[in-house]
Amino acid sequence: QKEVEQNSGPLSVPEGAIASLNCTYSDRGSQSFFWYRQYSGKSPELIMFIYSNGDKEDGRFTAQLNKASQYVSLLIRDSQPSDSATYLCAVTGTSYGKLTFGQGTILTVHP
Amino acid sequence: NAGVTQTPKFQVLKTGQSMTLQCAQDMNHNSMYWYRQDPGMGLRLIYYSASEGTTDKGEVPNGYNVSRLNKREFSLRLESAAPSQTSVYFCASSWTGDGYTFGSGTRLTVV
Repeated sequence: QKEVEQNSGPLSVPEGAIASLNCTYSDRGSQSFFWYRQYSGKSPELIMFIYSNGDKEDGRFTAQLNKASQYVSLLIRDSQPSDSATYLCAVTGTSYGKLTFGQGTILTVHP
Repeated sequence: NAGVTQTPKFQVLKTGQSMTLQCAQDMNHNSMYWYRQDPGMGLRLIYYSASEGTTDKGEVPNGYNVSRLNKREFSLRLESAAPSQTSVYFCASSWTGDGYTFGSGTRLTVV
């Protein structure tokens, strides 16, 4: 079992819809959870982080964390074509500071 | 404020050649990391440095060495390049436990 798994893609949604990206992790001691966006040929950029159970909202983005289920998700409301990218889930385990990444989910928002 | 600077951006090596990838950050971050990214594999940790003067192996360290030259600089060396090391390499830095800031990446091809 991979340490961090993301829902298989690619995911395609129409403009204006809600895109839902999911991630599960195996280390129950994981402390911090991050979502990165990576455009083709570019480096990952941090868009959201969450440390506590529940929801965290930032503009059109909402991160949701459920530690009991070892599940973290990212919702993108009112999806735009500019949201088309690969989204990477990353988790810090019990080891100091290191992030373990999922394999990424490719999101395409079509007009 | 440049953030994380990686050089070179592109490199082609012949099997058996050596090279050093350079990384420097100007954010006074304690921790620095080297990852490789391969299609369908996500980002995998090669080596990391939790603080100046310390380095540790990550998930895929074989064939690589690192040097934390000072707080700003963290280099990755390939002593004898192999085709399996063809990849995109990302350097990143962070405060303890926070999300990473990534460099722009180095696209390495070993022929």
